[in-house]
Amino acid sequence: DTEVTQTPKHLVMGMTNKKSLKCEQHMGHRAMYWYKQKAKKPPELMFVYSYEKLSINESVPSRFSPECPNSSLLNLHLHALQPEDSALYLCASSLQPSGGGADTQYFGPGTRLTVL
Amino acid sequence: QKEVEQNSGPLSVPEGAIASLNCTYSDRGSQSFFWYRQYSGKSPELIMSIYSNGDKEDGRFTAQLNKASQYVSLLIRDSQPSDSATYLCAVRPVFKAAGNKLTFGGGTRVLVKP
Repeated sequence: DTEVTQTPKHLVMGMTNKKSLKCEQHMGHRAMYWYKQKAKKPPELMFVYSYEKLSINESVPSRFSPECPNSSLLNLHLHALQPEDSALYLCASSLQPSGGGADTQYFGPGTRLTVL
Repeated sequence: QKEVEQNSGPLSVPEGAIASLNCTYSDRGSQSFFWYRQYSGKSPELIMSIYSNGDKEDGRFTAQLNKASQYVSLLIRDSQPSDSATYLCAVRPVFKAAGNKLTFGGGTRVLVKP
């Protein structure tokens, strides 16, 4: 089973709202990722959590705040977003945070975010 | 020079033909290579991974890796309309600090015509 789940599927929010995206996996993976994908572009890495600790932040604006409450769950808290933040937000997980050998990232279905 | 380069396409292929997709990368020490398929509006789905020079076959898909020339390719045999999608090449850098960070190419859009 290589399933990563994400909720909600769609989210519309105003620039003053606070919302959260949720990602869950039960594969025992110890690395989890947030990506942002704009139309006709490849996924763009935002954050990496290794063993529930933030290991990579790709200079993401502070209006995006990640959280990893436990090894199966990853959240992305959103506050004061801009219309240009509208995108598909993808969560992924992989077994080995060190990225050795055959370690593979599996993506969730994504959350389509629209900021008005 | 982009780290991972792909022809954006569209690559138009008749049904039943072979689709050939190429990807070049700049980090000579890269060790792991992945092909993801992404349908419009959906998330990337892993098709193939390859780590050693040569060919790796899985059903109608064959991945080819040539580390000396720094390219990886994907062949889709007996192409079907359901193969119409964007194919993303992803490369894992060699430096350990990057952990499991992947670098994606821009993707190649494939269109299989009945």
